[in-house]
Amino acid sequence: EVQLSESGGGLVQRGGSLRLSCAASGFTFINYAMTWVRQTPGKGLEWVATMSGNDDSTYYADPVRGRFTISRDNPRNMLYLQMNSLRAEDTGIYYCARDGVGGANWFDPWGQGTLVTVSS
Amino acid sequence: DIQMTQSPSSVSASIGDTVTITCRASQGISRWLAWYQQKPGKAPKFLIYVASSFQSGVPSRFSVSGSGTEFTLTISSLQPEDFATYYCQQADSFPFTFGQGTRLDIK
Repeated sequence: EVQLSESGGGLVQRGGSLRLSCAASGFTFINYAMTWVRQTPGKGLEWVATMSGNDDSTYYADPVRGRFTISRDNPRNMLYLQMNSLRAEDTGIYYCARDGVGGANWFDPWGQGTLVTVSS
Repeated sequence: DIQMTQSPSSVSASIGDTVTITCRASQGISRWLAWYQQKPGKAPKFLIYVASSFQSGVPSRFSVSGSGTEFTLTISSLQPEDFATYYCQQADSFPFTFGQGTRLDIK
């Protein structure tokens, strides 16, 4: 069974940092691009970042570019999101998701999510 | 960025009814569109990818159509487990964007 499980969320002050982790199992991790999506009260579902499976290509949404870094450890089947210079508008639930077969840009499955709260 | 607009924002229906949700893209995206279902307190769940008609174990009462800028998700013979919020997502180009969601409630 394909499973994704996020961790690392929590309460952080504005300007602070957090590192989210996503543990993957049940599939050949290196064969899939992986994505972070967040759900915020202000903007609903928002794509955050995607990383390819094996060539280290990364893609970011404008609101997070330069502040967030997506990375992965393929031997450990782990996906990460390093979040720096956090802002109140970054508050939300962060989901990791597997991209579709052959690089298709749909997301299935999703993890259960981890809550990030940025306080001012 | 490609803007995705869903209508209606919410709809009430009864068990056995048929409901259609529309998703419009601000520019043409061919058939690169995905639909998701989300229930309260849960992560979104992938339903269907229009381009390949790929479905993730979704009942046949869910059907999709459209291309370019206008798409529909139709749910026939509504069942209790179908009451949820539905989102469309364009998969044509970065940044991938989602519609604001359509909440389907029991009448």
